[in-house]
Amino acid sequence: DAGVIQSPRHEVTEMGQEVTLRCKPISGHDYLFWYRQTMMRGLELLIYFNNNVPIDDSGMPEDRFSAKMPNASFSTLKIQPSEPRDSAVYFCASSLGTGGPQHFGDGTRLSIL
Amino acid sequence: QKEVEQNSGPLSVPEGAIASLNCTYSDRGSQSFFWYRQYSGKSPELIMFIYSNGDKEDGRFTAQLNKASQYVSLLIRDSQPSDSATYLCAVMFSGGYNKLIFGAGTRLAVHP
Repeated sequence: DAGVIQSPRHEVTEMGQEVTLRCKPISGHDYLFWYRQTMMRGLELLIYFNNNVPIDDSGMPEDRFSAKMPNASFSTLKIQPSEPRDSAVYFCASSLGTGGPQHFGDGTRLSIL
Repeated sequence: QKEVEQNSGPLSVPEGAIASLNCTYSDRGSQSFFWYRQYSGKSPELIMFIYSNGDKEDGRFTAQLNKASQYVSLLIRDSQPSDSATYLCAVMFSGGYNKLIFGAGTRLAVHP
């Protein structure tokens, strides 16, 4: 079975540019999560969705970050404008049902110059 | 503030030994507990999950949960060099609606 699919795997862009990260959850999963991982702060939850509806976005660092889930098989995380401190690995994860284990995608390594 | 604490390590064990990884959490009402393995440059991979007090075994891995002490551990028997990775403890806090809080991870090094 296909796992969580993220694109792109790597993104290098200049400060001020818009960045869009994409995620396809495991088919049938009803929860989708966006995380950011850095050496300093570890793995942080940014936002998560249940049945395409955002449930908790308290981890979104600021208004430059936005996330959408237009349907059950696709989500985007957008950063506009990007800044060097946004450089990190961004993971998408999905899970099924309340309390179900989360399965992670391979991540997007983002570098903002 | 809901917290998950892990010793950052590195925890160094010889090949064939038992590796014991520990995690404490702050919310007594937490119900679900997960262990993930993360190799350098890779994504977290689910190893075990446990919901009830006691032990849960899966191959060389055993998860142990003690809710009264707010303590969860992962034992790896017959450790192999391929087990060398960072192990992340994650807790689903009560009222968290599927939200996981991750510990900072323990780096395990298994030497031949």
